[in-house]
Amino acid sequence: AQSVTQLDSQVPVFEEAPVELRCNYSSSVSVYLFWYVQYPNQGLQLLLKYLSGSTLVKGINGFEAEFNKSQTSFHLRKPSVHISDTAEYFCAVTPNTGGFKTIFGAGTRLFVKA
Amino acid sequence: SQTIHQWPATLVQPVGSPLSLECTVEGTSNPNLYWYRQAAGRGLQLLFYSVGIGQISSEVPQNLSASRPQDRQFILSSKKLLLSDSGFYLCAGTPPGQAAHEQYFGPGTRLTVT
Repeated sequence: AQSVTQLDSQVPVFEEAPVELRCNYSSSVSVYLFWYVQYPNQGLQLLLKYLSGSTLVKGINGFEAEFNKSQTSFHLRKPSVHISDTAEYFCAVTPNTGGFKTIFGAGTRLFVKA
Repeated sequence: SQTIHQWPATLVQPVGSPLSLECTVEGTSNPNLYWYRQAAGRGLQLLFYSVGIGQISSEVPQNLSASRPQDRQFILSSKKLLLSDSGFYLCAGTPPGQAAHEQYFGPGTRLTVT
């Protein structure tokens, strides 16, 4: 079975500051890793994903994430945030053994202040 | 890519009334389909998933049921709503047989049971 832990439920940050949203996972098999963003009263949109290869993954809106297999982490970063980045961010894993289910973390609410 | 449609966008229903939420898919055939519930301040809880017409897997025992009468239609139902059924319901889909693929989400239905 898999589990995903997002270590911070809320992250307040000032505009133009850097931010890191932390994600750790647990799995007995190899997994694919995803970060999604959810704006208020909307569905989730994919930010980026790690399938294989380079451990540094770049996504949309200037976000990037680094896969660390030894620490089972997949932290999301952005060097300079904007007010429009205020949203909820979800880390998720899918086993690469042909399963159908994606396991989501509880989410981190990023609040960007002027 | 897939497009997921959901309706209604919002719904207010009294306790004990029936429920029917509809999800339809554009852009792919034989998708894997999912129903999630998102309670206030919490992550996504997988309720049901389906890999084909008439094939439904339930993840948690509850007051809800799901059906897939057509390839691109996924319905969430209840005979008698409970207060605890309030939440934000999301339908999602992935192309068939692709665990590496991200999920495409619909815009969601906000259900309030009064």
